[in-house]
Amino acid sequence: GAGVSQSPSNKVTEKGKDVELRCDPISGHTALYWYRQSLGQGLEFLIYFQGNSAPDKSGLPSDRFSAERTGGSVSTLTIQRTQQEDSAVYLCASSLGSAGNTIYFGEGSWLTVV
Amino acid sequence: RKEVEQDPGPFNVPEGATVAFNCTYSNSASQSFFWYRQDCRKEPKLLMSVYSSGNEDGRFTAQLNRASQYISLLIRDSKLSDSATYLCVVTPSGTYKYIFGTGTRLKVLA
Repeated sequence: GAGVSQSPSNKVTEKGKDVELRCDPISGHTALYWYRQSLGQGLEFLIYFQGNSAPDKSGLPSDRFSAERTGGSVSTLTIQRTQQEDSAVYLCASSLGSAGNTIYFGEGSWLTVV
Repeated sequence: RKEVEQDPGPFNVPEGATVAFNCTYSNSASQSFFWYRQDCRKEPKLLMSVYSSGNEDGRFTAQLNRASQYISLLIRDSKLSDSATYLCVVTPSGTYKYIFGTGTRLKVLA
């Protein structure tokens, strides 16, 4: 497809389990972003990739959160030992990578921790 | 102080009205500015970029005031379909970080 693709669309997991969320950016986009949005709240920046490197991990909430990107394309956000407060929609976005370019979002992965 | 601040609203306006939102930012070296629109339970989508000289796209006009560190969005002749949350986005100079405001909710009433 032409847009940012995320999977799974919805995930219900038990507290304490690990989850992996996947993002496939727009082809040719070198920059990739992960954001988190809790119900009724604003977007919280998590991490930014330029190519395969992550120059800005400042938004990761704790060491239970990690992300990687391979081949300058697909990225995976992993949450270990999930907690109920991790319930949110996780949004991935990509851009051409130059400052000021428009970022385009995927439809998000809705995570519910029970 | 938050890096990007918006009045959360909601702004309830009748169809056909003109409505304006402001957004303030704290980093004077910010270099790029955008307005995004987010519908309920959907991803944000670009509405328009904001240029230094101001710019217009149909019923929408965006302006930047660097001296006072705010951007604005004006919507003329509001439509029911304009009901959404409008997100202000700022990119600080020297970074690729896109900082989102918490959004202003608009409800256009029939």
